[in-house]
Amino acid sequence: QVQLQESGPGLVKPSETLSLTCTVSGYSISNFYYWGWIRQPPGKGLEWIGNIYHGGRTSYNPSLKSRVTISLDTSKNQFSLKLTSVTAADTAVYYCARGRSVGGDCDFWGQGTLVTVSS
Amino acid sequence: QSVLTQPPSVSAAPGQKVTISCSGSSSNIGNNFVSWFQQLPGTAPKLLIYENNKRPSGIPDRFSGSKSGTSATLGITGLQTGDEADYYCGTWDSSLSCWVFGGGTKLTVL
Repeated sequence: QVQLQESGPGLVKPSETLSLTCTVSGYSISNFYYWGWIRQPPGKGLEWIGNIYHGGRTSYNPSLKSRVTISLDTSKNQFSLKLTSVTAADTAVYYCARGRSVGGDCDFWGQGTLVTVSS
Repeated sequence: QSVLTQPPSVSAAPGQKVTISCSGSSSNIGNNFVSWFQQLPGTAPKLLIYENNKRPSGIPDRFSGSKSGTSATLGITGLQTGDEADYYCGTWDSSLSCWVFGGGTKLTVL
């Protein structure tokens, strides 16, 4: 069974960089599929951040593109999210997920991790 | 404001059927596949429907999806109290070059 687990700091200061890692088990991220990030501000809906194909090609939400980087570490079967210059508006539960396509039709999700942006 | 429009809430009695609509445009639903997700309270979203009407392994056939023009519909039959959740539609938007979600619909099983 494919499992994903997010990890990283739960508190980030304004203007700093949010960094999260997703560890995948039960499937090699080198094989196929897209590997992505979706976030959900408290009490609000879902927002697609972007994803990376197993070959390394990335797609990002245009509203976040200037601040986002998603990368793969196939040696550790992990992929990562970096979001720079964060503000309180970036406070959300961040989910990593396996995507069936370049979009957000994700069939396996992590449990999510809350990241709060505050000084 | 979401690119895809869903009703904020729907409700029905146990055993009944409910439908949830998702309205978009030619740049998204009209020319791309639609997916549906269920998010139970405090949990991660779960893929219910992909490519308009296909169910992943393990999803019961009580859940169905359809698409017509620039709108899509999720149907749930034989409602159970365990179906109480937020439901989201999603699709690729070719103009935005971005995956977009609907605002979500809260289902209450009375």
